[in-house]
Amino acid sequence: DQQVKQNSPSLSVQEGRISILNCDYTNSMFDYFLWYKKYPAEGPTFLISISSIKDKNEDGRFTVFLNKSAKHLSLHIVPSQPGDSAVYFCAAGGYGGSQGNLIFGKGTKLSVKP
Amino acid sequence: KAGVTQTPRYLIKTRGQQVTLSCSPISGHRSVSWYQQTPGQGLQFLFEYFSETQRNKGNFPGRFSGRQFSNSRSEMNVSTLELGDSALYLCASSLTAGGPHEQFFGPGTRLTVL
Repeated sequence: DQQVKQNSPSLSVQEGRISILNCDYTNSMFDYFLWYKKYPAEGPTFLISISSIKDKNEDGRFTVFLNKSAKHLSLHIVPSQPGDSAVYFCAAGGYGGSQGNLIFGKGTKLSVKP
Repeated sequence: KAGVTQTPRYLIKTRGQQVTLSCSPISGHRSVSWYQQTPGQGLQFLFEYFSETQRNKGNFPGRFSGRQFSNSRSEMNVSTLELGDSALYLCASSLTAGGPHEQFFGPGTRLTVL
């Protein structure tokens, strides 16, 4: 039973365009959400996070939107650059019984073509 | 500040053997979490340690165990290895346990079971 789902295993975008990566979750106890980026042969690196009390958080080219009623969040990258090509993981955590560990989605591989 | 280090980076074992992986967190971080990454399942939480105590455990068999030392360094052990244990094992550290916090990942240990 997947609590965090990334339904698109891959996404291809042209350089300069917007990349939109989506994530759905089922557990309403999650209080915060994070996006990680992972290059091959490296561990995931933190990108951006959002608390459940917000609906948007922006950091440079990266914006995360949270729709609690739909249990959906998305990561927007504008403009996309070839260096953004990586696997993006959505993760969720909460203050409840699962505090301390993150539940990850299976990832979306983003390819940004020059 | 040095990042999270994991040793060894690569390991090849045969079925039935046991293996110990090591993780040194970022200086000052007291929480260490372990994850297993496989192509089909993404990142799955194994366990979390804080101040030498296991705070949380994922849904893995008892063959997977871990511990944390007084200097916050952590080890995980897998006994009676199975082919399905082949994966990238990632360690992540954070300042504290519980609540919203960014986890910093190491590069991982690639375990291959033959």
